Amino acid sequence: SQTIHQWPATLVQPVGSPLSLECTVEGTSNPNLYWYRQAAGRGLQLLFYSVGIGQISSEVPQNLSASRPQDRQFILSSKKLLLSDSGFYLCASSNDGNQPQHFGDGTRLSIL
Amino acid sequence: AQSVSQHNHHVILSEAASLELGCNYSYGGTVNLFWYVQYPGQHLQLLLKYFSGDPLVKGIKGFEAEFIKSKFSFNLRKPSVQWSDTAEYFCAVVNSGNTGKLIFGQGTTLQVKP
Repeated sequence: SQTIHQWPATLVQPVGSPLSLECTVEGTSNPNLYWYRQAAGRGLQLLFYSVGIGQISSEVPQNLSASRPQDRQFILSSKKLLLSDSGFYLCASSNDGNQPQHFGDGTRLSIL
Repeated sequence: AQSVSQHNHHVILSEAASLELGCNYSYGGTVNLFWYVQYPGQHLQLLLKYFSGDPLVKGIKGFEAEFIKSKFSFNLRKPSVQWSDTAEYFCAVVNSGNTGKLIFGQGTTLQVKP
C-alpha cells in the first residue's frame, strides 16, 4: 500500500521567510498528488493537485505554490510567508481520481 | 459550488451509546463518498467509502454509512461506541471521474467517555 512521507513535522518560521515542504510517496507509481490545509473547525481545504510530473493545478488563490519535479515528489513552497499561512498542511496520494486518498502525517506550520 | 456539511462539530458519548454523525453534500451529479477518521496523534485514514451499489456500506471497526441520494446524505453510524473511537471524523465527496478533488466537511470531534 502507499506510504506518504512528509517533513518536517513541525516548523516555525518568521513572516517574510521562504518555505519548502516536501512530500514523497512510496508503494505506487504515477499517483495523483494533493496538498491540503487543515484549519481547526474548518475541515481540509484542497490547495493543489497534480496528475503527473510538472502538472500542477491550483484550487485557491494564495501565497503558496506547488511543484512536482519527480513522479513521487510533491513540494509546497512560498517565497514570502504571511501570518495567514499558519496551519496544518497535509499531503495525499491516490492511484486515480476515484480511489481513496492516502494521507501523510502532516506538517504544522507556525508563522511568527 | 460543491460543499459538504457535517452537522455536529463536537459529540460527547458514553461507551456503548449509539452514534450517528450527519453529512450532507451539495452536488447534482454522480459522486463518490468517503468517511475518514483521524485518531489522536495519527494521520487521516479511510473509514469507509461508497462508489455504487448497495447504499449501506460497512467499514472498519464496526462503522457503517448509508447513502441516501434523495437527501444528498451520507450519515455515519455505529451501534455501540468504544473509548477507542475517540477521534475526529471527516466526510468527503468527489465527483466521479474527476481528478480526485475531495471536498471535505469541517469535521466532527467525537469524545467517548469510558
